[in-house]
Amino acid sequence: EAEVAQSPRYKITEKSQAVAFWCDPISGHATLYWYRQILGQGPELLVQFQDESVVDDSQLPKDRFSAERLKGVDSTLKIQPAELGDSAMYLCASSLVRASYEQYFGPGTRLTVT
Amino acid sequence: GQQLNQSPQSMFIQEGEDVSMNCTSSSIFNTWLWYKQDPGEGPVLLIALYKAGELTSNGRLTAQFGITRKDSFLNISASIPSDVGIYFCAGRLIQGAQKLVFGQGTRLTINP
Repeated sequence: EAEVAQSPRYKITEKSQAVAFWCDPISGHATLYWYRQILGQGPELLVQFQDESVVDDSQLPKDRFSAERLKGVDSTLKIQPAELGDSAMYLCASSLVRASYEQYFGPGTRLTVT
Repeated sequence: GQQLNQSPQSMFIQEGEDVSMNCTSSSIFNTWLWYKQDPGEGPVLLIALYKAGELTSNGRLTAQFGITRKDSFLNISASIPSDVGIYFCAGRLIQGAQKLVFGQGTRLTINP
């Protein structure tokens, strides 16, 4: 069964350090999403890609967060510098087409900033 | 931003009982999705609903798209231990941004 892959699964970093997360969507899925999930809450969208283009990054803190999907397949989310408040689960999801709201999630990366 | 009110926040039931939870909003949605999330894992899609009044089943799970388009319901029949987890509703607003908005989840605990 096709799955969204994410790595690493867990990351501990000190504040002010840089951290990066990687996501490989389900093969053939043109739309890729990065979400942040704070403990006890639902996921919140950070950025959405259609192929290699950003279609929504309105909730991405652009002073410290960046995301890219250079070849329209896998994607990287970076935080530099990390802050204590960035501790959360970072989830990647993909869907077949932009108009499909059946999003399939990866296992997530649990980030702890100390 | 837009908010989905999911209730109850938590449920403690006996194995074999039926479960009901819902998601409501003051806004109108044209898509409702229900996900289940286990600890330390990503959400897993359970059911997708696209039409007002639609009733869809997936095994022991049944979800409905409310006819007002402002709510959705999820029922689980004859609960079993593997149903334990957090259930999230997610909806897409009929107007504005095309992103999904998630509820805050219903945590289900089952006593054997």
